[in-house]
Amino acid sequence: NAGVTQTPKFQVLKTGQSMTLQCAQDMNHEYMSWYRQDPGMGLRLIHYSVGAGITDQGEVPNGYNVSRSTTEDFPLRLLSAAPSQTSVYFCASSYTAQGNGYTFGSGTRLTVV
Amino acid sequence: AQKITQTQPGMFVQEKEAVTLDCTYDTSDQSYGLFWYKQPSSGEMIFLIYQGSYDEQNATEGRYSLNFQKARKSANLVISASQLGDSAMYFCAMREGGKTSYDKVIFGPGTSLSVIP
Repeated sequence: NAGVTQTPKFQVLKTGQSMTLQCAQDMNHEYMSWYRQDPGMGLRLIHYSVGAGITDQGEVPNGYNVSRSTTEDFPLRLLSAAPSQTSVYFCASSYTAQGNGYTFGSGTRLTVV
Repeated sequence: AQKITQTQPGMFVQEKEAVTLDCTYDTSDQSYGLFWYKQPSSGEMIFLIYQGSYDEQNATEGRYSLNFQKARKSANLVISASQLGDSAMYFCAMREGGKTSYDKVIFGPGTSLSVIP
């Protein structure tokens, strides 16, 4: 039972490059989210999805795109990387119903130079 | 506007003592949920406890309990009999439904807890 799998674990990008952070879960969770974690700011919601084909913006969506073509996968695309996007990125999933806590991936540490 | 406030950036507690981590929230929804997560120095995020806005009793999970005061919009985490392994960052989170969007989960800035032997 893999849970939530994020790849890669570490990445260094140059300013202006694009890339996709991968997230996959094998628990048949409807709800998936992407967060970024910066020191002193907790986790900030980037985008989230309540099921295949349905996504919505979170608190800090600018510079990021998502899609949800399957229940299992929820990739996060950085369109043109900027140093301000240097952060640790977490993917998380849960059942939709209230009361279900997230299962988190192990995170991706991204550095933009 | 910040919706989750955790006013204690850092806390210390003696081993075997109880500790309360504060969390206040802001929402206009009647139906919402409150969560606490733990993040050890290893970086993983661990779900601890959940409280629904309509739950009449405070949630408990082992040594963790959530002191829910709805009128004051507070959802404090109480850890009883602290252990060295409780040293970690603790995040309060809220799941609310928006009027024009699906419900989302947002997090507070966190409290760093250090347990002293």
